[in-house]
Amino acid sequence: NAGVTQTPKFRVLKTGQSMTLLCAQDMNHEYMYWYRQDPGMGLRLIHYSVGEGTTAKGEVPDGYNVSRLKKQNFLLGLESAAPSQTSVYFCASSYWRTNQPQHFGDGTRLSIL
Amino acid sequence: GEDVEQSLFLSVREGDSSVINCTYTDSSSTYLYWYKQEPGAGLQLLTYIFSNMDMKQDQRLTVLLNKKDKHLSLRIADTQTGDSAIYFCAEGGNTPLVFGKGTRLSVIA
Repeated sequence: NAGVTQTPKFRVLKTGQSMTLLCAQDMNHEYMYWYRQDPGMGLRLIHYSVGEGTTAKGEVPDGYNVSRLKKQNFLLGLESAAPSQTSVYFCASSYWRTNQPQHFGDGTRLSIL
Repeated sequence: GEDVEQSLFLSVREGDSSVINCTYTDSSSTYLYWYKQEPGAGLQLLTYIFSNMDMKQDQRLTVLLNKKDKHLSLRIADTQTGDSAIYFCAEGGNTPLVFGKGTRLSVIA
């Protein structure tokens, strides 16, 4: 089983460019999450989804948009990238309750110049 | 809001036991988790404990939960160099999991 797959694994952007990070899971999980990880800050929740067609804001949602058009996919968009969004982005998924264990992808390392 | 606190660093000698501590604030937490992150990788679920348990043992790992003090610990027996990683504590209640900032465990050969 692939589990949670994130693409791309690495990306360099210029300030003001846009891009979409893709997360795909094959475990039939209802819930999906996007986090960013920065040194000394731990994991911070950006947005999450409790099912197909739903999204909700997390701790640090500004500057990001998400969509969950299909149950297995969760997209994270940066409309106008800023250097402060340089980070490692992790996607995770879980079963039908928020307190269930989350399964993580290997991350996308994003640098914005 | 909910908060999870961990010490940032721990250094131990190979073969010794490691104890990583965590405190949390949400009294409604039903599950508490330990995740391991190796360099360049995502978080891997190590173990978890249900809130009505005091202890859980899984091979070299022992999880202790003091619900009264909202204190969780992870003990790794016979620590090996392969255990060097960042360990995250997380609590699960009525909202998405809340993670601590992680404890970086360094194992000295």
